Amino acid sequence: AQSVAQPEDQVNVAEGNPLTVKCTYSVSGNPYLFWYVQYPNRGLQFLLKYITGDNLVKGSYGFEAEFNKSQTSFHLKKPSALVSDSALYFCAVRDRAGGGADGLTFGKGTHLIIQP
Amino acid sequence: DTAVSQTPKYLVTQMGNDKSIKCEQNLGHDTMYWYKQDSKKFLKIMFSYNNKELIINETVPNRFSPKSPDKAHLNLHINSLELGDSAVYFCASSQGAGNTIYFGEGSWLTVV
Repeated sequence: AQSVAQPEDQVNVAEGNPLTVKCTYSVSGNPYLFWYVQYPNRGLQFLLKYITGDNLVKGSYGFEAEFNKSQTSFHLKKPSALVSDSALYFCAVRDRAGGGADGLTFGKGTHLIIQP
Repeated sequence: DTAVSQTPKYLVTQMGNDKSIKCEQNLGHDTMYWYKQDSKKFLKIMFSYNNKELIINETVPNRFSPKSPDKAHLNLHINSLELGDSAVYFCASSQGAGNTIYFGEGSWLTVV
């Protein structure tokens, strides 16, 4: 079985400061890893993914994430936070060994609050 | 053009009623999903279809029945609605195991 842990319910960051949203995962094989963002009353928007290759993945809106196999982590980062980054962020995993239709397993989400 | 569209966006209905949520994707993907987001924002997969064939059917009451008339559509029918069915239901689609899953805007179901 696969699982995702997002240890922080909420992360507070001042505008202009760097931000990190933590994610660790557990899969039996090698993972595909994803980050999504959800704004109030909206659907999930894809930010970035790790499939293979470079451990540092760059995505939308200036976000990036680093895959660390030894620590089984995939933390989301941004060098300088904007108030508009305030939203609910989800980390998700899919086992490479699974078929294409097995979907994603999500973490419980982290509320990111950027203070002006 | 909206890639994954679902209707209705908001639905308020009484207990015991039967309702359907429709979903269509114009991305040419071969796999479609239904996810449920509960009041605590936790997301859980309900069903997945690959080329109109049911692949995943998680522990979901059999009052929930998905139907896929073709690769571009996956509808969700719910019989005998209960208060606990109140949630946001997301339709999604993807092509291949490592590719991105794209989500619709969600359908907010409230059972009263």
